[in-house]
Amino acid sequence: EPEVTQTPSHQVTQMGQEVILRCVPISNHLYFYWYRQILGQKVEFLVSFYNNEISEKSEIFDDQFSVERPDGSNFTLKIRSTKLEDSAMYFCASRRTEETQYFGPGTRLLVL
Amino acid sequence: GQNIDQPTEMTATEGAIVQINCTYQTSGFNGLFWYQQHAGEAPTFLSYNVLDGLEEKGRFSSFLSRSKGYSYLLLKELQMKDSASYLCAVPGVNQGGKLIFGQGTELSVKP
Repeated sequence: EPEVTQTPSHQVTQMGQEVILRCVPISNHLYFYWYRQILGQKVEFLVSFYNNEISEKSEIFDDQFSVERPDGSNFTLKIRSTKLEDSAMYFCASRRTEETQYFGPGTRLLVL
Repeated sequence: GQNIDQPTEMTATEGAIVQINCTYQTSGFNGLFWYQQHAGEAPTFLSYNVLDGLEEKGRFSSFLSRSKGYSYLLLKELQMKDSASYLCAVPGVNQGGKLIFGQGTELSVKP
């Protein structure tokens, strides 16, 4: 059964450094999402992406964040200058035209 | 705006039945999802209700009442592996299709 994959599974970085989180959505899916989950808190929407552009973003998704679909299979989230409060689990999700979103296993980001 | 409420935690016994409730307020309604999330793992899809009533899928059933802004997830014949967080979510009103999640209900199944 096809599934969403994410790399790396864990990332440790220093405050102020740039990180790129990578996702490979399910191949025939059209809508892509990034969510984050701070430890012990709820899953929060960051950004949605469709037809090669951002369709919606949350107030969390400020100028530090960007997304890209560079080659038709990968979907990346870049954090330009990480802050301590960016430490969280980051989930990628995708869907076709129906409503159900399928989530990847997540990248656990720790900013020191 | 949109708001989702569900109990923070519940405890049940192996073999029993448990009902996890969710109430929501939303300016537009495009269905309600339930996801299961084991600690440190991704949410996995359980059910999607868009019409009123009960939908059964094996040991798990989900109920929706749109007029009451209420849903529940029913888990039967509980197993230890059902210990997890159960997330209620609704799609946002914009076309992007984001999901808005509740805080999750942490279910502990005890022998």
